[in-house]
Amino acid sequence: SQKIEQNSEALNIQEGKTATLTCNYTNYSPAYLQWYRQDPGRGPVFLLLIRENEKEKRKERLKVTFDTTLKQSLFHITASQPADSATYLCALGTDSNYQLIWGAGTKLIIKP
Amino acid sequence: KAGVTQTPRYLIKTRGQQVTLSCSPISGHRSVSWYQQTPGQGLQFLFEYFSETQRNKGNFPGRFSGRQFSNSRSEMNVSTLELGDSALYLCASSFSSGSANYGYTFGSGTRLTVV
Repeated sequence: SQKIEQNSEALNIQEGKTATLTCNYTNYSPAYLQWYRQDPGRGPVFLLLIRENEKEKRKERLKVTFDTTLKQSLFHITASQPADSATYLCALGTDSNYQLIWGAGTKLIIKP
Repeated sequence: KAGVTQTPRYLIKTRGQQVTLSCSPISGHRSVSWYQQTPGQGLQFLFEYFSETQRNKGNFPGRFSGRQFSNSRSEMNVSTLELGDSALYLCASSFSSGSANYGYTFGSGTRLTVV
């Protein structure tokens, strides 16, 4: 069955460093992959979308890569700040189906 | 512009009761999707509506139902509540293509507790 894996343990990063989160998937051929940020008790907030024919996407301090051969996406936050602390979710979708498949999320903690 | 509005924000219900949750999408968004989120679980897809029609449905029992009105507002209903239905219910709105091009805009969710 389709499966998405994100680091289940919290990721602790020192302020100013680059945080890298991983999203791996199996038994799926997504057309695109999305990353969201979620704060406690709130809905996810859309950050970036990358399509299967794109290797990399950037937005300010954020960078996403998408390797369809490795079936993996990496999400980078450069010059991390304590305000970046949150849970980050990845989600995959296809153009033939409006349903996204979601990872369970990785909790990121940026320490001052 | 106004975001996605979900009401109520919090809800406590007793087993066996039914509940109706409401979602008003962003103006211009005609697609509304509903998700259930429980601790440690990824978001679980419930259903998606577009132009008052259910376009896709997840693997939830028939106790979970929804509908969409002509103004794109959507409601979801859960009948015969069970303890396991306790969760954060999230509504997401998007353009007609779903989230494929611009992602979803989520509401803050309704926290349902079944006792």
